[in-house]
Amino acid sequence: SQTIHQWPATLVQPVGSPLSLECTVEGTSNPNLYWYRQAAGRGLQLLFYSVGIGQISSEVPQNLSASRPQDRQFILSSKKLLLSDSGFYLCAWSVSRGNQPQHFGDGTRLSIL
Amino acid sequence: RKEVEQDPGPFNVPEGATVAFNCTYSNSASQSFFWYRQDCRKEPKLLMSVYSSGNEDGRFTAQLNRASQYISLLIRDSKLSDSATYLCVVAQGSQGNLIFGKGTKLSVKP
Repeated sequence: SQTIHQWPATLVQPVGSPLSLECTVEGTSNPNLYWYRQAAGRGLQLLFYSVGIGQISSEVPQNLSASRPQDRQFILSSKKLLLSDSGFYLCAWSVSRGNQPQHFGDGTRLSIL
Repeated sequence: RKEVEQDPGPFNVPEGATVAFNCTYSNSASQSFFWYRQDCRKEPKLLMSVYSSGNEDGRFTAQLNRASQYISLLIRDSKLSDSATYLCVVAQGSQGNLIFGKGTKLSVKP
């Protein structure tokens, strides 16, 4: 069966520090991969998605970037974090056919001080 | 008009009650529909897909009305463990990206 791993579970970072969140998927090949952010009391906002290695689409302009160095690895990064980057970050995968449900990792709760 | 709209609630119901959530979507080209459940401070989890003919999974029934661009979720005989936020989700576009509603919060009381 397919599993998705996301780490760390919680992170506290100072303003201006770099960020790297990692997500890996097991049990499937060529998945679509996604990064979302959920701010407190808000809905899920799609940040990036990827349909293949090295292919990244950005949904909103922001202080973050994403990379997909391997088929089942998706990384969310920032060079300098802002206070507004605080939130609950979720990685998800789906099969590569369109319009399929997505399955989420446990999420990373990021607090910027 | 927001892409996916839900009543935020909260819905406070006693155990055993039947509760219904409604959702509307703005893009008539949307192709797939889902309900997710999200517990407090946890990730969303797929509850069920929604099919045009309507579908049932135990105590849960989902309905889709494409003409009205309306989706519903009915929970019968609600349990304490049903307390969560229920997210209405619509897939659209060539990549089939999911658009999430902000969710309806359900609290089932003893």
